[in-house]
Amino acid sequence: GAGVSQSPRYKVTKRGQDVALRCDPISGHVSLYWYRQALGQGPEFLTYFNYEAQQDKSGLPNDRFSAERPEGSISTLTIQRTEQRDSAMYRCASTAGYSSYNEQFFGPGTRLTVL
Amino acid sequence: TQLLEQSPQFLSIQEGENLTVYCNSSSVFSSLQWYRQEPGEGPVLLVTVVTGGEVKKLKRLTFQFGDARKDSSLHITAAQPGDTGLYLCAGDGAGGTSYGKLTFGQGTILTVHP
Repeated sequence: GAGVSQSPRYKVTKRGQDVALRCDPISGHVSLYWYRQALGQGPEFLTYFNYEAQQDKSGLPNDRFSAERPEGSISTLTIQRTEQRDSAMYRCASTAGYSSYNEQFFGPGTRLTVL
Repeated sequence: TQLLEQSPQFLSIQEGENLTVYCNSSSVFSSLQWYRQEPGEGPVLLVTVVTGGEVKKLKRLTFQFGDARKDSSLHITAAQPGDTGLYLCAGDGAGGTSYGKLTFGQGTILTVHP
């Protein structure tokens, strides 16, 4: 069906609040990736899942960031006690398989602004 | 320290000119991908190169993977305004592993003027 979707597309929050960013991958896609991207820069890896298992979370900046994919489909990236430096575009991507040769399909991103 | 160095970061040219974007690393990758991203959109895959020395052509775009699988280039012939965008290289399998975790370069912002 449709491509990768993310919600909300824009999120403005106050410092100290928690936010949850949602990613709906392409139906049936095995792997799901979270990135953070600064304007005009390449995406920076945060974490990824194969099915429901979190395979690598080495890119999460600190323990305020967490992600889950409990049923192997939709994923949520949660940021607790947000800080202004968390403001960025957060993108997710999904792939049909989990080899390096699979194309990553990116979502439109969630623009997070922390005031 | 950036694992993948892209150059140039900015490129502003006239329609019809040729250009080359470079992606260099000290690490060996099992594969390397090139993406193009338009404003407000996510990156879209252009090509994946896997074999050292590989050359792939996609219409006016030519992609090369270095023999040692540490570097790559993207050459565009007779650029058009529609080529304008952010071009990203992304390597997978640094250090011999291969599991889909991409490392992206900083990107090259290309502007082609009519």
